[in-house]
Amino acid sequence: AAGVIQSPRHLIKEKRETATLKCYPIPRHDTVYWYQQGPGQDPQFLISFYEKMQSDKGSIPDRFSAQQFSDYHSELNMSSLELGDSALYFCASSLRTSAFGPYEQYFGPGTRLTVT
Amino acid sequence: AQKITQTQPGMFVQEKEAVTLDCTYDTSDQSYGLFWYKQPSSGEMIFLIYQGSYDEQNATEGRYSLNFQKARKSANLVISASQLGDSAMYFCAIQGGSEKLVFGKGTKLTVNP
Repeated sequence: AAGVIQSPRHLIKEKRETATLKCYPIPRHDTVYWYQQGPGQDPQFLISFYEKMQSDKGSIPDRFSAQQFSDYHSELNMSSLELGDSALYFCASSLRTSAFGPYEQYFGPGTRLTVT
Repeated sequence: AQKITQTQPGMFVQEKEAVTLDCTYDTSDQSYGLFWYKQPSSGEMIFLIYQGSYDEQNATEGRYSLNFQKARKSANLVISASQLGDSAMYFCAIQGGSEKLVFGKGTKLTVNP
């Protein structure tokens, strides 16, 4: 079965640079979520999109922005990178099977970002 | 707001034995879901099992079962017949009305041969 695809898998950037992470959800899934997992930490929710509209927002820095495109893929743009942004970034997708959740979320393999 | 508490930072189990990983939760939502994910050292987050708050039967998926006790607000994961490949970090998570997952701190499981 097709899974969530994330690219790149690994990314090394310097401080103050920008980075773009891409996520391709499971086919027919309509919701995308972004999570950040620091070293030795649990994943923290950043932002989500349903049918190309932002549906929820968590602890996402103002330096970060994201969007979901017409083909449902999503991109997380990160600017003015800081050392503390080094983390594993997960994208997850789900399908809203009803008006109310919960909805099973399937995670991609993650993008490991290292800021030097 | 939702909260997950996993009180076992690390657990050890002998191969072929069963192990229970603890998870308690707190939420003000009437409808919510409880999830368990496995994270091997390679980093990916693997969905294991899901329990809805209105589900009367405990969820089972192969060797995984979820011991759901709603009154006690607990959702423990039971892994039967442990295998060496089960060694990983295990996260319990809750999803309420806001759809985002809120994770616990995780339990590192080590399966000994």
